Amino acid sequence: QKEVEQNSGPLSVPEGAIASLNCTYSDRGSQSFFWYRQYSGKSPELIMFIYSNGDKEDGRFTAQLNKASQYVSLLIRDSQPSDSATYLCAVGGSQGNLIFGKGTKLSVKP
Amino acid sequence: DAGVIQSPRHEVTEMGQEVTLRCKPISGHNSLFWYRQTMMRGLELLIYFNNNVPIDDSGMPEDRFSAKMPNASFSTLKIQPSEPRDSAVYFCASSPASLETQYFGPGTRLLVL
Repeated sequence: QKEVEQNSGPLSVPEGAIASLNCTYSDRGSQSFFWYRQYSGKSPELIMFIYSNGDKEDGRFTAQLNKASQYVSLLIRDSQPSDSATYLCAVGGSQGNLIFGKGTKLSVKP
Repeated sequence: DAGVIQSPRHEVTEMGQEVTLRCKPISGHNSLFWYRQTMMRGLELLIYFNNNVPIDDSGMPEDRFSAKMPNASFSTLKIQPSEPRDSAVYFCASSPASLETQYFGPGTRLLVL
């Protein structure tokens, strides 16, 4: 059974700080990794995807992938109250599906 | 462009009744996914289709659940008979060919009394 694990949180950070969200996965053969953001009462929306080891930056967001250690992380720089949401890590399956973690709830305090 | 469309957005029904949820994927996307989300279990994949063909329905909880995709622009998820434990938010998502990025619809909030 392929699994994706996340700390459920809540993770609380002050406004302007760096928020670090982590995710581990069980399938060593996984090749694609995604971060989704879900506001309360809304549907998940894609923030970033990463396929290669290392860092990928997009604005205030940086995704980091380490396949040897089987973890992927999301850094949010200069955190804003509007970043408060649940962040879902997803790993690509073998047939085009995604396996989601249960999400980490982030709270950014003004 | 219109995103994934789901209907109804909210459904309240009584135990034992049939419930039908509907989804229209993004035009041109060839994969469609049905998820269920609860606080306890998170986001669970129920079934997904590639080119209208069911690929994996191992996530469907039991025989009370069924899903169809008669054409590339429409899918249904049916629960018959419904039970209180089916109460959840049901999401439909679609993705384009050769890409795993999924785009989610707004969801259907189902409450079974």
